[in-house]
Parts: sequence; C-alpha cells; structure tokens
Amino acid sequence: KQEVTQIPAALSVPEGENLVLNCSFTDSAIYNLQWFRQDPGKGLTSLLLIQSSQREQTSGRLNASLDKSSGRSTLYIAASQPGDSATYLCAVLNAGGTSYGKLTFGQGTILTVHP
Amino acid sequence: NAGVTQTPKFRILKIGQSMTLQCTQDMNHNYMYWYRQDPGMGLKLIYYSVGAGITDKGEVPNGYNVSRSTTEDFPLRLELAAPSQTSVYFCASSYSLVEGYTFGSGTRLTVV
Repeated sequence: KQEVTQIPAALSVPEGENLVLNCSFTDSAIYNLQWFRQDPGKGLTSLLLIQSSQREQTSGRLNASLDKSSGRSTLYIAASQPGDSATYLCAVLNAGGTSYGKLTFGQGTILTVHP
Repeated sequence: NAGVTQTPKFRILKIGQSMTLQCTQDMNHNYMYWYRQDPGMGLKLIYYSVGAGITDKGEVPNGYNVSRSTTEDFPLRLELAAPSQTSVYFCASSYSLVEGYTFGSGTRLTVV
C-alpha cells in the first residue's frame, strides 16, 4: 500500500528566506506527483504537476523536483512571503497495486512566513 | 468557467438524518472523486467514477453512496449520518487518469 510522508509537519520562517518542503513515497510505481496549496478553511489549489518521466517543474518562485527511483520529491520556495503561509500537500497518482489510478496524499506541511 | 462546484458549503446534521452533497463540474472531465479530510489525517478517497454510469469504492466508502448519471454531476449520499462522518468533504475531477486534479472548495459537515 502506498504511503506518502511529508517532512516537516510544520515550518516557520522569516520573510525572504528560501525553503524546502519534503515529500517521500514508498511505491515508485506512480504516474505523477502533484503539489497543492490549501489555505485555512479553503479547498486545494494545484501548484505543480510532475509526470513520472519528468525531473522537475517550475512556476514563478516555486520549483518541484521528482526522484522516482528513490521515492522523493521536494518543493522549493524562493524568497518566501507572508502570503505563502498555508498548508502544502503532496499527492502521488498510483500506477500499480491496490491503489491503481488513485491519489494518495501526505498529511501536509503547515508553513508560516512571518514578516 | 466555474470548475468544480460543491454545495452546500456548510451543513449541520442530526444523527440518523440523511443528506446529499452535490458536486458539478463544467470541464467535461471523465474522472470524478470524493475525498474527506479530517484534521491531521490527510485526505482519504471515499468513492470515484471514471465516467457516467461507472462508480467504484475508494479507501473509506462505508456509510456513503454515489451515483454518476451524467458526466457533469457526482453526488455523494449519506443515508444515516453518524458523528464519525463529521469532516470536510472535497469533490475533485480530472480529464484523464494522468492529468492533474481540480478540487472544489469543500463542504464542511458536522453531525451532532
């Protein structure tokens, strides 16, 4: 059964810092990996989608990498801002086993960027 | 383009009552999903559908039912509400198996 773990569970940084959020998964048979942002009391907003054949994706100050063989992904946020404060969720789309075709989510990293 | 629309946004139910959570998407997506999110527990898949007329169970289907009579709509039915069903429910859709997901804004349900 696929398991997704996100480290750290919470992170507090001063404005302007570069930071890295980590995601690991136990089964490398995946179609893709997606990073989401969730603001308190709101839905999920897709940030970046990396297909299994890709190594990284970039959008503005965000860069996500994928190492499928080692079961790891990182989300790099450059020059963090208070508006980046949110919960960041990692999810993998499974390509095998009993979870075939389904997303498995990590529990999220709660990010606080203080002025 | 509304994306994925969920109604209602909030609801309080008494134990034993029933209700339907509505989900509609206007993107012509084939795949639709229902998740529940409990504090500190991540999102768990309840049911999913790969197209009109086809549904299947996810990780936590007990106490719920779904139907998919059209491409656009994927309602989730709670027949006998229990306190354990207090949660935030999210509907999502995708065009194909490998496309990214689009999520609705959620329904916050409390069962008392």
